Formats: sequence, structure tokens, C-alpha cells
Amino acid sequence: NAGVMQNPRHLVRRRGQEARLRCSPMKGHSHVYWYRQLPEEGLKFMVYLQKENIIDESGMPKERFSAEFPKEGPSILRIQQVVRGDSAAYFCASSPEADANYGYTFGSGTRLTVV
Amino acid sequence: DAKTTQPPSMDCAEGRAANLPCNHSTISGNEYVYWYRQIHSQGPQYIIHGLKNNETNEMASLIITEDRKSSTLILPHATLRDTAVYYCIVRGWGAQKLVFGQGTRLTINP
Repeated sequence: NAGVMQNPRHLVRRRGQEARLRCSPMKGHSHVYWYRQLPEEGLKFMVYLQKENIIDESGMPKERFSAEFPKEGPSILRIQQVVRGDSAAYFCASSPEADANYGYTFGSGTRLTVV
Repeated sequence: DAKTTQPPSMDCAEGRAANLPCNHSTISGNEYVYWYRQIHSQGPQYIIHGLKNNETNEMASLIITEDRKSSTLILPHATLRDTAVYYCIVRGWGAQKLVFGQGTRLTINP
């Protein structure tokens, strides 16, 4: 059973370009969570999605960031017009259920570098 | 979700038991205690979780006090590969996200 797959592992973008980060949850998991970790900082929740629905986007920056989890295919975190401050590790996690008795499984992350 | 308090750093000798404390004095009856760790810059790794009873798995043991206001994660025979930041998180019933604090940076020394 493959774990949570994130790609690419490393992504370099110039300022102003778009970044697309992909996350394939574990088989049987329909709940996806995105977290961001800035250099030398902690993990910050960004968004929680179920298939075709955004459930909680309270941690998403108001502009340039969007997320989706379509019926078919991976979840996508999209960052438009990237700036240097977007450089961070972005982690995706999945779970089979949303209730408190189910932990998350995290992927290995995508390291975004904006030059 | 209740807040947690952890020491910022701890050291432990290789081969000894590592005991990581966590205070969660405002925990309510339906909130779980979760432990995760992050080794260097890898993705966080689930360790264990519990509600009221002590729990044990192949990685660790979780001891929750009777009043549930604190808990201890025990790594029974720490190895160098256990060096990581350990996060204690309280998650309530219906809470849909895990909120990470600063954690404890555990260093296993040879």
C-alpha cells in the first residue's frame, strides 16, 4: 500500500511564475490536508479538502493560493505569481475519516524555492 | 482544541528510554492526545494516539494520567535515528485538523 505521494519533491520557480504541487492520498483515503513549513518554523495548516469540496481553508493566504481535490486525480495546491516568501516545504496528509480517532499520514513534501 | 505545553528540547543517551512529557491541562473528555515526530526536514510521522487508556505500539508507549491533564511519550530504547522534533497534539471530536505547536527537539547522544 503506497503512502501519500507528493510531487515534485523539489520545485524551483522564478518570481511571478506559477507553482503546482500535487498530492495523491493513500488508497481509500478521501480526506486531504495541506500544511506549509517555512524555513526554521513550525507546520502551519493551510487547507482541508474532501473529494470535490473545500471543507476548511482558514489557513490559506487570501490571494494567489488555491487548492482542489477533483473526483479523479490528485489534489493540487496552486500558487500563482510566486514570491520569495513562498519558499517553503509544503506537506500533504491524508486520512480515511475526518474524526478525531483517525490520524493523518503525511507525504514527504515538496520543497519550493522561488528565485 | 486544548493547548499543549512541551519542553523545547531534551537529550537522551542512546539505548536508554526517552520520556517526553506533555501538559494539556485544559483537555476535555472527548479530546485525543496525538504524538507525531519530524525527523530533520522529512514529513511528519505518526507515532501513537490515545483517549484515556495507556497505549503501546511497535514504536512507543503513551502514558496518560488519570486526570488526563498530562501525558508522557516513551521511546523504550532510543537510537540515533530517533533524533527529531516530537509534537504532542490534542484533537477534539469533530476537529478536522491537527494543529502543530513548537514541539520538543529530542537529541539522542551516542
